[in-house]
Amino acid sequence: ETGVTQSPTHLIKTRGQQVTLRCSSQSGHNTVSWYQQALGQGPQFIFQYYREEENGRGNFPPRFSGLQFPNYSSELNVNALELDDSALYLCASSYEPGRLNYGYTFGSGTRLTVV
Amino acid sequence: DQQVKQNSPSLSVQEGRISILNCDYTNSMFDYFLWYKKYPAEGPTFLISISSIKDKNEDGRFTVFLNKSAKHLSLHIVPSQPGDSAVYFCAASAVDMRFGAGTRLTVKP
Repeated sequence: ETGVTQSPTHLIKTRGQQVTLRCSSQSGHNTVSWYQQALGQGPQFIFQYYREEENGRGNFPPRFSGLQFPNYSSELNVNALELDDSALYLCASSYEPGRLNYGYTFGSGTRLTVV
Repeated sequence: DQQVKQNSPSLSVQEGRISILNCDYTNSMFDYFLWYKKYPAEGPTFLISISSIKDKNEDGRFTVFLNKSAKHLSLHIVPSQPGDSAVYFCAASAVDMRFGAGTRLTVKP
């Protein structure tokens, strides 16, 4: 099966709660990256996993954490949710870090609203 | 840290004319540059890329130009079509990928 799928598509959480977002990468893609896209802005890099190990991290606090599993699935966990965490969260997969002739394949995202 | 910048939030062109979208970057370690297209309610879709060792890459109506000395790249769409109307993101990569804020392109019939 091709493509990247994310679940859920929409989510509403209360400030202080914890959330887990899920992503199923394209088969054969060993690299997954997570991005946060606030309204009117470009995607901001959260972190990247390669073969189940964190391979880079953007300017996000430790309450943003992730996991990558051998079956090409991954999770983004956010603890102690804040109102500013409201955004579209995008998952993107690729073969290997830096092998970018074909770019990343993105999912459609999870829209998280924190109230 | 805004390592990739798209200074034009919007661009409007007539169908059949050329669209030129611009992007500037600050990190000289970037070795790949990409353009993505995004429609509402969808994730970004990869459009075209260029390696830092090249200065031009062409794919059909889309051409990306890279000027390393100026740390500038541009996307040319010729001829522009109404279906090209979308938000275009410039991205640059060393190990991870960084994105600009996007330019909304509107192609008028």
